[in-house]
Amino acid sequence: SQQGEEDPQALSIQEGENATMNCSYKTSINNLQWYRQNSGRGLVHLILIRSNEREKHSGRLRVTLDTSKKSSSLLITASRAADTASYFCATDGETSGSRLTFGEGTQLTVNP
Amino acid sequence: AAGVIQSPRHLIKEKRETATLKCYPIPRHDTVYWYQQGPGQDPQFLISFYEKMQSDKGSIPDRFSAQQFSDYHSELNMSSLELGDSALYFCASSLPLVAGGLYNEQFFGPGTRLTVL
Repeated sequence: SQQGEEDPQALSIQEGENATMNCSYKTSINNLQWYRQNSGRGLVHLILIRSNEREKHSGRLRVTLDTSKKSSSLLITASRAADTASYFCATDGETSGSRLTFGEGTQLTVNP
Repeated sequence: AAGVIQSPRHLIKEKRETATLKCYPIPRHDTVYWYQQGPGQDPQFLISFYEKMQSDKGSIPDRFSAQQFSDYHSELNMSSLELGDSALYFCASSLPLVAGGLYNEQFFGPGTRLTVL
């Protein structure tokens, strides 16, 4: 990806634990979105956070954004086996318009 | 709720053949984006349309072309297919801010898996 990296690339946890995934980007952004992708399938929109927001919640998801560090984190609480998937962050920016630039993704495995 | 529809879901072609992928956006969404995701890679932006006009162009090969029709569906035409074109092709749609869209929130279809042999 030209925009950023996700950390870690792979994460394996037990059901019930929390999972934290990080995303870094390089250019100024307007919005940052998180998506989930089950193996080889479609991208499911999880949450969008605007550049002037610092934290957002949706159900078991908590997203933070630190524009000074050009980074975001996605926290999934009380994980379930069904959360097993790849998670991508995607940004759109002042110079890139509305196209999304994706990070490299984190493969999350939640063991039952 | 209605989602983005893509057809076909799977497509197998030989080298040098052509392929046409179709995308039907969520009702009232007038902006369509195409992305390509190679094996083990993140999605890469190809091209987008707003109100039937091309609005942005990314790393789309000259062999590919796309358009958006009066009913807002879009087609991606791919010619002289190469082995490296094998990928998942996603279409996404969004609702413009003026119509209540939320800050470029893009919703993706299930993708078309193209295999070039």
